[in-house]
Amino acid sequence: QVHLVQSGAEVKEPGASVKVSCKASGDTFINYVVHWVRQAPGQSLEWMGWINVGNGYTRYSQNFQGRITITRDTAVSTAYMEMSSLKSEDTAVFYCAAKDNTGLRGYDYWGQGTLVTVSS
Amino acid sequence: DIQMTQSPSTLSAFVGDRVTITCRASQSISHWLAWYQQKPGKAPNVLIHKATTLETGVPSRFSGSGSGTEFTLTISSLQPDDFATYYCQQYKSGDTFGQGTKLEIK
Repeated sequence: QVHLVQSGAEVKEPGASVKVSCKASGDTFINYVVHWVRQAPGQSLEWMGWINVGNGYTRYSQNFQGRITITRDTAVSTAYMEMSSLKSEDTAVFYCAAKDNTGLRGYDYWGQGTLVTVSS
Repeated sequence: DIQMTQSPSTLSAFVGDRVTITCRASQSISHWLAWYQQKPGKAPNVLIHKATTLETGVPSRFSGSGSGTEFTLTISSLQPDDFATYYCQQYKSGDTFGQGTKLEIK
């Protein structure tokens, strides 16, 4: 099992960047793929991208390609999602979620979410 | 990109009712589908993966069926704790969520 703890809420101005962290504890972190999901207020879930913690390979949704970067630091069992050129429409809760690297399952483990507010 | 169309968007039902939520994929995803339950202010919780496999600890009143492009989530006898929003998700290519079904108490 993996327990995911995300960094705290952020308030950013339009045009700025934000970096959200997702720290794992419990099972061996490198056996997992970490996904990032955005949920705007009252809206559905939107997949952003993922990183294979073991080999560092990433894949991004076309909706976010070029605007987000997902990284990981295995030494501290932490994944990161950085989003640039923030707009007011990016105001949302951002979740990290982990699934094992077999690809067979859904997202078994979720962080608590990080609220990012974009406002001038 | 694979699109997921979920229906209905809102469903009102009584405790004890049997309800079904449908999810359609824009192309075949085989059985690469998961269902999640989300309560207000909380992260989603996975109920089912591979279209029909119930997660450990999920009550047996939940079941999933389907393959290819059409899938259903059925709750056989609604309990008060089941009133929440439900999402389907394909994970065959990239990952895409449906728009959600809000299950309300009638």
